[in-house]
Amino acid sequence: GNSVTQMEGPVTLSEEAFLTINCTYTATGYPSLFWYVQYPGEGLQLLLKATKADDKGSNKGFEATYRKETTSFHLEKGSVQVSDSAVYFCALSDSLNTGNQFYFGTGTSLTVIP
Amino acid sequence: AAGVIQSPRHLIKEKRETATLKCYPIPRHDTVYWYQQGPGQDPQFLISFYEKMQSDKGSIPDRFSAQQFSDYHSELNMSSLELGDSALYFCASSLGLAGGRNEQFFGPGTRLTVL
Repeated sequence: GNSVTQMEGPVTLSEEAFLTINCTYTATGYPSLFWYVQYPGEGLQLLLKATKADDKGSNKGFEATYRKETTSFHLEKGSVQVSDSAVYFCALSDSLNTGNQFYFGTGTSLTVIP
Repeated sequence: AAGVIQSPRHLIKEKRETATLKCYPIPRHDTVYWYQQGPGQDPQFLISFYEKMQSDKGSIPDRFSAQQFSDYHSELNMSSLELGDSALYFCASSLGLAGGRNEQFFGPGTRLTVL
């Protein structure tokens, strides 16, 4: 079946530190991979996505590369800011086998301190 | 740009009552998805509709039902509410079902509290 495993949090970093949030997946088909961010009290916002192997998604300084050989989609940012404090969800969608529903990881809470 | 609209944003109900949550997708989007996010948990897929027909079903309890109307808005009806139904309910919309490449746009959610 389809599933997403995310690095457990919470994660606390100082401003300008390097961020990595690990995400690995299992899928029966050829999934698309996503990172969503959720700020306190708000809905999910798409951060970046990749639709095939070796694609790199990037947005707002965040990057993630779709690695089929390691079934991973780790999120990275070179220098985090206080405003990056949020919960980050890795997700996959495997429409060939399971419609277009999303499978989410458990979320990783990030707190960036000044 | 128009986003997904959900109403109400907050809802408080008593046990065994019913609740109706509404979702208005982005204009021209024909696919709607419902997710349930319990406290501190990841969103769980409930059900989806494409062109007013149910397209996929997840972990939606039998006490819940949903439909998509001719204007593509969707309603999630919840009956015999239980304490465990307290959660944030997200609606998402997309244009078509053509692969996971179609991004799902999420609404702000409806926070349901069952007392």
